[in-house]
Formats: sequence, structure tokens, C-alpha cells
Amino acid sequence: GEDVEQSLFLSVREGDSSVINCTYTDSSSTYLYWYKQEPGAGLQLLTYIFSNMDMKQDQRLTVLLNKKDKHLSLRIADTQTGDSAIYFCAVGGSYGGSQGNLIFGKGTKLSVKP
Amino acid sequence: DAMVIQNPRYQVTQFGKPVTLSCSQTLNHNVMYWYQQKSSQAPKLLFHYYDKDFNNEADTPDNFQSRRPNTSFCFLDIRSPGLGDAAMYLCATKISSRPDVGYTFGSGTRLTVV
Repeated sequence: GEDVEQSLFLSVREGDSSVINCTYTDSSSTYLYWYKQEPGAGLQLLTYIFSNMDMKQDQRLTVLLNKKDKHLSLRIADTQTGDSAIYFCAVGGSYGGSQGNLIFGKGTKLSVKP
Repeated sequence: DAMVIQNPRYQVTQFGKPVTLSCSQTLNHNVMYWYQQKSSQAPKLLFHYYDKDFNNEADTPDNFQSRRPNTSFCFLDIRSPGLGDAAMYLCATKISSRPDVGYTFGSGTRLTVV
């Protein structure tokens, strides 16, 4: 089955850029998402990218997709203390339908030091 | 605001005593999911409803069941909770025709088994 891997921890200083990496195994994954989870809360969708895209930018967030290497990254520019959270990479299969279920990585805990 | 609401936020139950967690949504999404998330782990899909069709994951224990009486509500029933069932339970919804929207998660119910 699909496997999604992320490094577990990342620590950066406020104002620096953060880069969170993710690798996945299923090359047919069509939709790739980044979710943010703050302590005690549910998951919040940050951004997504379709598999036919290489890059997507959304304000401070940049998503890069390397389909050949099955590598996804999330860059957060000008990281703030409020960005401290766990970031989950999630990949999904077919468009819609009951098979379009997401597989999550274990999450990367981002710590932002002032 | 349209959202996914989980009740209660915190639930304490006794070992072996049946417990029900609830999820409601005002988004009119046709797919509803239940995930189990243990500490420092990825959310694990238990089952989902695609419209009225129930889809159980192969490795979901029989102890876990679900009901979806209408579009808005979905329940997770744990028939005989064990200590290993202590976790955060996340409800999520999706509209199958809009994969760009991703999943919308509730805030979760943290279950403690004593």
C-alpha cells in the first residue's frame, strides 16, 4: 500500500524559511496536500498540489513536487512563532469516489524559536 | 460558518463500557471519515461513508462501528473500549466532486479509557 514518510522534527528561528519534506511511494497519487495541526486541534488544510503541477505558491507557502523522485516539499517563508505546529503530508489516489482516500505521513513537528 | 463539529471534545470511558462519539457537519459533504490518531502518529483511517455506503478498512477492529443516519451526522461506536483505544478520534468530510477542497476536519474527540 501507499507509504508516506516525513522527518519528525524541524527547528528554525523566527524570520527564517522552513522546508518540510515528504516522500511517497504510490506514483499514481493524484492529489497531494499539506495539513497543519495545532496542539489539541483537528487538521487544517494549508494547501494542495495536483500531480500535473511542479510548483504552487500561496502567500508564504510554496509547494514543490518532484514526481520522478516522489518528493513533495512545503516551504514556509518568514516563519513566525504562530507557525509552530505539526505539519502532515497527505497523498490521495483517484479523483473523487470512494477510492480517493488520503494516506497521511506521521507529521513533522515544526518549532520556531524567537 | 459551515464546519465539522465533534462532540464531546474530551471523553473518559471505563474499560469495556460502550461509548459513542459524534460528528456533525453543515457543509453538505457527501463523504464522511473517521480517523484514529495516537500520539506522534499519523491519522489512521478506520472507515468512511460515501453517501450512504459504508466502507470499512481491512484492519479496523470489529470493536469499532459507525452509523450515518443522515447526511449531516456520523457516529463512531466503540463496543468494548480497551486501553489501547485511547486516542484522538478525528472526523473529516469531503465533497467527492471537489478534490481541490480536500478534507475538512473537526477538532477531534480525545478518548481516555480508565
